[in-house]
Amino acid sequence: DAGVIQSPRHEVTEMGQEVTLRCKPISGHDYLFWYRQTMMRGLELLIYFNNNVPIDDSGMPEDRFSAKMPNASFSTLKIQPSEPRDSAVYFCASSYRGGGGQFFGPGTRLTVL
Amino acid sequence: AQSVTQPDIHITVSEGASLELRCNYSYGATPYLFWYVQSPGQGLQLLLKYFSGDTLVQGIKGFEAEFKRSQSSFNLRKPSVHWSDAAEYFCAVGASQAGNMLTFGGGTRLMVKP
Repeated sequence: DAGVIQSPRHEVTEMGQEVTLRCKPISGHDYLFWYRQTMMRGLELLIYFNNNVPIDDSGMPEDRFSAKMPNASFSTLKIQPSEPRDSAVYFCASSYRGGGGQFFGPGTRLTVL
Repeated sequence: AQSVTQPDIHITVSEGASLELRCNYSYGATPYLFWYVQSPGQGLQLLLKYFSGDTLVQGIKGFEAEFKRSQSSFNLRKPSVHWSDAAEYFCAVGASQAGNMLTFGGGTRLMVKP
């Protein structure tokens, strides 16, 4: 199994630009999660999906953030427009309702200049 | 609301010494408990999990954890630490085996002295 795949691994962009982060969950998993990790705030859950449907997006910081899951094997997290305070590591994780916990991808390190 | 407290932000141990990382949780129902490890520049890797049954659970890399309901604790242990164990460790509590809606502790950074 390839595990959770995220791309890009690193992204450097300028303030005001649109950023799209991508995630491919583990095949067969029906939950997908997006997290943000910073030194100041630790690990924060942004949004999670069950069977491609967004269940809880209360962690999405503001309207500049949006997430989609068009099918069971792909999800995106978009920031438009990006701001320097969005700089963080963004993780995608997936899990299966039958158990086992969440499995994390390697993360995308985003730097907004 | 559920919460997780990891009282130790940093811990330093000598290589070969034993290790215990503390985790206390607050949860109104039967908790599903997890320990994750994060090496620098990496994602979180699941070390072990507790759902039910035997309160002492074994995980990968020689780690184990003990669930103590009376103390609301789920401490992580390893009898002999290796230099490669230096990383950040996160305890988490969730509402289901799938681990959806996990609440993470703030993490404990482990440093290993040669």
